[in-house]
Amino acid sequence: SQQGEEDPQALSIQEGENATMNCSYKTSINNLQWYRQNSGRGLVHLILIRSNEREKHSGRLRVTLDTSKKSSSLLITASRAADTASYFCATAFYQKVTFGTGTKLQVIP
Amino acid sequence: DTEVTQTPKHLVMGMTNKKSLKCEQHMGHRAMYWYKQKAKKPPELMFVYSYEKLSINESVPSRFSPECPNSSLLNLHLHALQPEDSALYLCASSQDEGPLYEQYFGPGTRLTVT
Repeated sequence: SQQGEEDPQALSIQEGENATMNCSYKTSINNLQWYRQNSGRGLVHLILIRSNEREKHSGRLRVTLDTSKKSSSLLITASRAADTASYFCATAFYQKVTFGTGTKLQVIP
Repeated sequence: DTEVTQTPKHLVMGMTNKKSLKCEQHMGHRAMYWYKQKAKKPPELMFVYSYEKLSINESVPSRFSPECPNSSLLNLHLHALQPEDSALYLCASSQDEGPLYEQYFGPGTRLTVT
């Protein structure tokens, strides 16, 4: 299975702290994406990093990708209570997107 | 308009019922997707439509029947479902099929099969 494994499964931090989530996958990819999901509703796309990129930034988000280790990390800096959600990595290989197991982030005000 | 809409938001159906889920987007996207998500699990791809043609069926049971009447609409017809089919059904769209395009998700339909 191409499904990614995310670590940790759950993370609880204080507002203002940084949150780091890791994703490992098993097969070749064209890109890796990160999504956020609030309370079991629709997913929101956060950032896409291509397989030939190593790092990407978007606002308070920083994503790294190491294709040799088949791993990626998502860093959220200066977290806010509104960042409380589940975060999924998703690996894309041609037209197929496969979601990882997710990290549940709780940011305590 | 960057919104994907899904109706209904909630659906309860018996195992002998026939119902349909509807998804709509007006972003001019040419690829549309159905995902199934069980509680505390990641979304799992069911179907991909590209330019109104079915391009991927992830070995989904025939009691789920997708339909793409036009480039803005995607339906999922449900018939003779089982209680284990209860889940959140998510629709998504992207500009085109392929790995370079982000997917925009709708809010989902929460389906309960009794």
